[in-house]
Order: sequence, then structure tokens, then C-alpha cells
Amino acid sequence: RKEVEQDPGPFNVPEGATVAFNCTYSNSASQSFFWYRQDCRKEPKLLMSVYSSGNEDGRFTAQLNRASQYISLLIRDSKLSDSATYLCVVNAGRGSTLGRLYFGRGTQLTVWP
Amino acid sequence: DAGVIQSPRHEVTEMGQEVTLRCKPISGHNSLFWYRQTMMRGLELLIYFNNNVPIDDSGMPEDRFSAKMPNASFSTLKIQPSEPRDSAVYFCASSLWGGSSYEQYFGPGTRLTVT
Repeated sequence: RKEVEQDPGPFNVPEGATVAFNCTYSNSASQSFFWYRQDCRKEPKLLMSVYSSGNEDGRFTAQLNRASQYISLLIRDSKLSDSATYLCVVNAGRGSTLGRLYFGRGTQLTVWP
Repeated sequence: DAGVIQSPRHEVTEMGQEVTLRCKPISGHNSLFWYRQTMMRGLELLIYFNNNVPIDDSGMPEDRFSAKMPNASFSTLKIQPSEPRDSAVYFCASSLWGGSSYEQYFGPGTRLTVT
């Protein structure tokens, strides 16, 4: 079983739409959770951390459900510039491997005008 | 502040040649990670270092791959001899181990093509 599972998409939505991505993780000991964004032919960049209480950054809202080992990202009022691949990321959660991150395969989003 | 620096940005080489990729992590970060990304396999962790010491190299494909971190500000990933199947984008990332979180910051990558 993979450490992080994501729906690969693609998601194709019009500008202004709301879109949600989900992922599940297998390691119940994981402590840190993130969403990264990767543009075509660029490096992954940290979009936001995900906290147990849920957190919001402008149009982006992230949720964590530890009981279900489930993470979500909601994008409201989509912009053309949101088109990218979104990577769900969790840390290893144990001892000396605590800093290791596991990356999902990513969900591709295209926002059209 | 400077982010993670990688060189070269692009490398085209012939099968059998030695390839050396270089990385300078963010100053103050104590962990460094080498990844490889392809369409088929996604982002794969090859090896990572904590305080210049290799912690896990289980992702290194085979003996043709080696990585070193002689000091806190420099690391290399070497492929010798290179093969066409090594063609990929190689990313270096760094993080601060022991902080409140473990987010990693990526360099721009080296796009390797082996012909």
C-alpha cells in the first residue's frame, strides 16, 4: 500500500468554480501534513501546511481528519493561475525518519476561462 | 534569502559518461534530500542526509548512483556510468530537522537527458 494516495484527476474547471482534492495516508504516526503545488516543468513548492483544526489561506482551505487518515484541499473562486499539479504530502512520523516526507502522485488541475 | 541552488540546470550526456549533479541547501538547514521525478514513477526519494550523514539510501537505484555531503553547504549526486533510463529531473531539497514542522524546500532541479 502506498504511503499517500491521491486521485490523479485531471480536474478541469471554469474560472470561479470551487474544487476539492482529497488524499489518504497510511501511517497513523504521521505528524506533519502539507499541500505542495507543482507547475509544469518547475519544482514542487509548499502551498500550505495542514493542521488538525483545519486552516485557511485566502481562497485555500485545508482539512485534516486523523481518525480517517484523510486530508483535503478546497480552492474557492478558481483562477487561471491555479492550474497546476497539487501534491499531498505527509511526514514519516517515526524517530530518525521523522523528517522524511512522502509525496502523493499529485492531482492535476486545469482552470479554463 | 537564497533558496536551494542546483547545478547544472540541464545536462545532456551520452550513455556511459559520468554525470555529477550539485546542490547547495538553504543556509541553516540541516537535512538534505535528493529526489528523481519521471512521468512514469512520479517523485522518488533517492537518499537523504541529516547533519551531513546519510540516513537512508534505500531509494538509490543501483551502485551506479552515489551521493556525498562533505559539508553542510554542499552535496553531490553522481551517476557512473549513466544510462538512458536515468533520464529524469533530479531535485534537491532541504529542511530544518527538529523544528516545529518538516516542510522541505526544493531547488529548481537538474533536467538530465542521457542519449
